[in-house]
Amino acid sequence: GESVGLHLPTLSVQEGDNSIINCAYSNSASDYFIWYKQESGKGPQFIIDIRSNMDKRQGQRVTVLLNKTVKHLSLQIAATQPGDSAVYFCAEIMRGSSNTGKLIFGQGTTLQVKP
Amino acid sequence: DTGVSQNPRHKITKRGQNVTFRCDPISEHNRLYWYRQTLGQGPEFLTYFQNEAQLEKSRLLSDRFSAERPKGSFSTLEIQRTEQGDSAMYLCASSFEGRIYEQYFGPGTRLTVT
Repeated sequence: GESVGLHLPTLSVQEGDNSIINCAYSNSASDYFIWYKQESGKGPQFIIDIRSNMDKRQGQRVTVLLNKTVKHLSLQIAATQPGDSAVYFCAEIMRGSSNTGKLIFGQGTTLQVKP
Repeated sequence: DTGVSQNPRHKITKRGQNVTFRCDPISEHNRLYWYRQTLGQGPEFLTYFQNEAQLEKSRLLSDRFSAERPKGSFSTLEIQRTEQGDSAMYLCASSFEGRIYEQYFGPGTRLTVT
């Protein structure tokens, strides 16, 4: 069925370290996987996306890895900063919903950055 | 344009009352989406518009919910006869048609039904 979930509810890292946030999904029929960041009191903010025919995509200080064999998605944040503290959601757009843009979100991982 | 705006930011209402929320998307975006988010959960899709046409509605959107985007610009979401289970954050997002995965969200309207 439709399911996008995250392994850990909270991740605590030291400022300057790298962070890895994981996401497991159960539905193979997805065209896009996307990471969003949500700070307290704000709406989600787009970070990076990856198409289902890709394994890796890099952005500014972030890298998304997609392992379709084990249905696993990860977000790596390099040199984590206090401003990275937020809830991170993985989301997917299923094949067939590629025209609608219907995002299916997981439950979220809270990233806490310790100074 | 500073982004997606939503009004009001907070709404407290009594059960049975009607409420209406407004969303002003980024002006160049022709796609507009409504999501609902409860505490500790990710947003859930409710409906979306391309220009003024409402093209999909989630089964979460009961008959008490109605959304409009009359001129293809701002949108309203109305909930009639509110119930306590309607208490949630209602998020609006917009995007370009060609980049539907990159949705820009507003700050949301937090609804509390007492």
